[in-house]
Amino acid sequence: DAGVIQSPRHEVTEMGQEVTLRCKPISGHNSLFWYRQTMMRGLELLIYFNNNVPIDDSGMPEDRFSAKMPNASFSTLKIQPSEPRDSAVYFCASSLVPGGPTGELFFGEGSRLTVL
Amino acid sequence: AQKITQTQPGMFVQEKEAVTLDCTYDTSDPSYGLFWYKQPSSGEMIFLIYQGSYDQQNATEGRYSLNFQKARKSANLVISASQLGDSAMYFCAMRELTGAGSYQLTFGKGTKLSVIP
Repeated sequence: DAGVIQSPRHEVTEMGQEVTLRCKPISGHNSLFWYRQTMMRGLELLIYFNNNVPIDDSGMPEDRFSAKMPNASFSTLKIQPSEPRDSAVYFCASSLVPGGPTGELFFGEGSRLTVL
Repeated sequence: AQKITQTQPGMFVQEKEAVTLDCTYDTSDPSYGLFWYKQPSSGEMIFLIYQGSYDQQNATEGRYSLNFQKARKSANLVISASQLGDSAMYFCAMRELTGAGSYQLTFGKGTKLSVIP
């Protein structure tokens, strides 16, 4: 089984540019999560979807960030315009709710974003 | 208030010894789950072990065990017989149900474990 697939793995861009991060969850999973990881703030939940519907986006830093899930197999996180403080590793994770005994999240390998 | 607290930014352990990584949590939800994830230097997040709030017994998975003390709201991870490959960041996380019938997972700041040969 393929795991959660994220692209790009690495992105270097200049301040002001638009950045789009992509995620393909595990087939059959109905919940998708976007996390941001930095040294200072650790792992922060940005937004999550249940059955393609955004449930809680209170973690999205500001209006420059937006996320979509047009179907069960694809999600995007967009930053426009990007700023140096957005530099971080962005993780996508998926799970099945209600799931098995644990309902753990399965993480992608992350997208490392550097904004110059 | 932080929902998940990991008080040890870094820990050292001698190879083959056991080590305990601390985690305390805060929730008013009677139904919750506690997780531990490992993040090696390569960056991926690896699920290790899970404890449900109603589980009577402490969870175990191979060399990993979870010391669940519900009254104290603690869920410490115990790694027995440490190996060099255990050197990594370890994150404690809590799952809580949301009003929308879904749930969210909140992570602690992590503990960096270094295993000394």
